[in-house]
Order: sequence, then C-alpha cells, then structure tokens
Amino acid sequence: GAVVSQHPSRVICKSGTSVKIECRSLDFQATTMFWYRQFPKQSLMLMATSNEGSKATYEQGVEKDKFLINHASLTLSTLTVTSAHPEDSSFYICSALSGGLNTEAFFGQGTRLTVV
Amino acid sequence: KQEVTQIPAALSVPEGENLVLNCSFTDSAIYNLQWFRQDPGKGLTSLLLIQSSQREQTSGRLNASLDKSSGRSTLYIAASQPGDSATYLCAGDIYNQGGKLIFGQGTELSVKP
Repeated sequence: GAVVSQHPSRVICKSGTSVKIECRSLDFQATTMFWYRQFPKQSLMLMATSNEGSKATYEQGVEKDKFLINHASLTLSTLTVTSAHPEDSSFYICSALSGGLNTEAFFGQGTRLTVV
Repeated sequence: KQEVTQIPAALSVPEGENLVLNCSFTDSAIYNLQWFRQDPGKGLTSLLLIQSSQREQTSGRLNASLDKSSGRSTLYIAASQPGDSATYLCAGDIYNQGGKLIFGQGTELSVKP
C-alpha cells in the first residue's frame, strides 16, 4: 500500500512554545490530507482537512489560529501547534487518500506531543 | 450526523478462535467503509476497504462485509493468533464530504496463546 510518513514520532516541548509536525506522502501525490487527534483510549477525531494550494478546512471547535496547517506541495502537509499548553498534549495523526476522493486512506505513524 | 459504534469495546479470546467484530453507523449515506488496525502508541494500518459498490472484501484471514441497508459492517478474523492483538477501528466516509472519515471507538482485541 501507499506510504505516509509522519515526523517527529515523539516531541516534548515547553508550555508556550510552538511545535511543527510534518506529514509526507512518499510514493504518491496527495492533494488532500487530513489531521486527526486521538486522546488515550479514545477514537480519532478529525481536526481539519488540508488542501494543497489553498486554506485548510477546520472542523467545528478546532481553533485555526492555534493549529496552523500548511499544504505547500502535493506530498507535504504540516501542522503547527502554536503556543502549546499542557491540554494540547495528545496523539496527532495525519492521513492521505491514495488516489483522490473515495479511495483508500493511509495513515502516518502518529506524533505523541507532550507539553510540559 | 453520522455516528459509528463498535461492539464489543474489548474482546479476549484464546488462540485459534474465529471471531467477529461489529461496526454500525447511523447514516445510510455512508460511502466507503474501511477497517484499520492500531497497535499501542502507533498509527493506523489499513486492513480492508469496502467501496460503495462492494459488499465484501477479503485479505488472508480477514473478511469484511458491508450492509448499507442495515447500517452494519463486520470484520471476521479466522484462526486468530497472538499477533492479531491490537485495537481494530472501523471508519466510514459520506459521499461528497471530501473523504473525511468518521471513526468508531474501536475494539481492543487480545488473543491469548
């Protein structure tokens, strides 16, 4: 299957700093990528849809100024958690569709963010 | 609003058993349905994708079915092995919603040797 690479896998940062997470599609082009958040023992919740060359679409309740998304190329989307606080500590996972809409979704390895 | 429910939340079986994981959704407008595996602290591995025109998909010891009329999907695992221990998630997308997936809560499977 298609490969999506996410980096870093783990990050610890101080409260008030910003953290950038990268999501790359390694062997295919992805015009659309998705960012999810997962709390312990809970399922994945969609945060936003990242569209190449345009602004991201955020789900209700997700602060767009706090979670900055950039999708500058067909193989890279980044999520920046700005002015991170302990409550932002979570598992963040990105995904990309392998061949456009209504095709199989492949996920990155996830990033465990801990804000201290 | 589409909601996806998975039953049971947790399951423990002895090695070799066949088992069924259930997934139900509230909106019959679901388009594709996908089953994933997640190991602790890891990302998701795609297991099976059932596209809108399909009713069933098979891969090795795994078989997934989709019945849109009843709003249900099942994942059948044959001859379970300890290496199958993981959390299994089902997720569906809705036509014309840009490919966004709505996830169930997952079933945590433990296969005892």
